[in-house]
Amino acid sequence: GAVVSQHPSRVICKSGTSVKIECRSLDFQATTMFWYRQFPKQSLMLMATSNEGSKATYEQGVEKDKFLINHASLTLSTLTVTSAHPEDSSFYICSARSMRETQYFGPGTRLLVL
Amino acid sequence: AQKITQTQPGMFVQEKEAVTLDCTYDTSDPSYGLFWYKQPSSGEMIFLIYQGSYDQQNATEGRYSLNFQKARKSANLVISASQLGDSAMYFCAMRGQLRQGAQKLVFGQGTRLTINP
Repeated sequence: GAVVSQHPSRVICKSGTSVKIECRSLDFQATTMFWYRQFPKQSLMLMATSNEGSKATYEQGVEKDKFLINHASLTLSTLTVTSAHPEDSSFYICSARSMRETQYFGPGTRLLVL
Repeated sequence: AQKITQTQPGMFVQEKEAVTLDCTYDTSDPSYGLFWYKQPSSGEMIFLIYQGSYDQQNATEGRYSLNFQKARKSANLVISASQLGDSAMYFCAMRGQLRQGAQKLVFGQGTRLTINP
């Protein structure tokens, strides 16, 4: 299947700092990427839809100023958690939609805010 | 609104047995897609199988098959000859009608499958 990478895989930061997470589609172009958040033992919660060259579409209840999304190219989308706080600690996972309409997921990023 | 329901929070199966993971859905879209993903303890989401709402035949991918019953709005995943490595969380997901821009996936709550030796 298609390959999607995410970097970093794990990050620990101090409260108040910003953290950037990269999502790359390695072997296909993705006009649309998605960012999810997953709490322990729960399902994935869609945060936003990232479209190349345009503003992201955020789900209800997700603060766009808190979670900045940039989709600068057909293979890269970034999520920046600004002024992170302990409650932002979670597993963040991206996906990229292929031409066959299947979403392929990255390996995820575990964020721990101290 | 679209909704996915997985009623089995956990399942325990003996190695080499077949297992069926239940998934029911609700949507008003005439066209939709159904997916199954596997999430091992490492966290990555692994795509397993896809079924389009207009597909005439049930999807199959190796040991995975999807029992698609459109009238019942169910899309159960069947794993044949289970292996220890099949132990993981399994998520059923649905995508709505593409031309309306409903590209996002809606996920069920997941089923934790444990394969016993």
